[in-house]
Amino acid sequence: GQSLEQPSEVTAVEGAIVQINCTYQTSGFYGLSWYQQHDGGAPTFLSYNALDGLEETGRFSSFLSRSDSYGYLLLQELQMKDSASYFCAVNYGQNFVFGPGTRLSVLP
Amino acid sequence: DGGITQSPKYLFRKEGQNVTLSCEQNLNHDAMYWYRQDPGQGLRLIYYSQIVNDFQKGDIAEGYSVSREKKESFPLTVTSAQKNPTAFYLCASSKSRGTLAKNIQYFGAGTRLSVL
Repeated sequence: GQSLEQPSEVTAVEGAIVQINCTYQTSGFYGLSWYQQHDGGAPTFLSYNALDGLEETGRFSSFLSRSDSYGYLLLQELQMKDSASYFCAVNYGQNFVFGPGTRLSVLP
Repeated sequence: DGGITQSPKYLFRKEGQNVTLSCEQNLNHDAMYWYRQDPGQGLRLIYYSQIVNDFQKGDIAEGYSVSREKKESFPLTVTSAQKNPTAFYLCASSKSRGTLAKNIQYFGAGTRLSVL
């Protein structure tokens, strides 16, 4: 079956670096994506890994290791506005499977 | 501006009633999706459509129905068979068609459905 796991909550202080992990028990997917969702809002795309390795987009980076069945999202120079839920997702062509999400709280 | 429009923002359903949630996109995307999100939970796929007049069931399709008569529109009907419909419903679209290229989903603002 398809299953992704994420920590339910992470807390960090402003200016810090935080890593949100995503482990999975699935295979044959095209890529791993990360989405941010603020309370009451719509998810927005952050980063995508089709191949193993690190993808960097500004303060956000994402990593994928298919051999280890995990990926992570790295957020640097945390800001208060980064407080949100973060979801990993794998896609099989046009079919997407999302993880349960990690709620990040950034403290002053 | 291009984007995805969902309406209404809030919807109330009476017991035994069917209700339809609207989703329109002007991004010229081929694929469209419906997700259900319960409080504090992830997104669960209800239905998706890769092209006009074709759609596939997701993980929780029971009690829901869709149509895709136009590329821009993908309405979701929550039928009376769905006994626990209270949730946040999100519509999304994406451009890629089964390739290894980056496949980004763009989401609408969502519809909150509650049962009276």
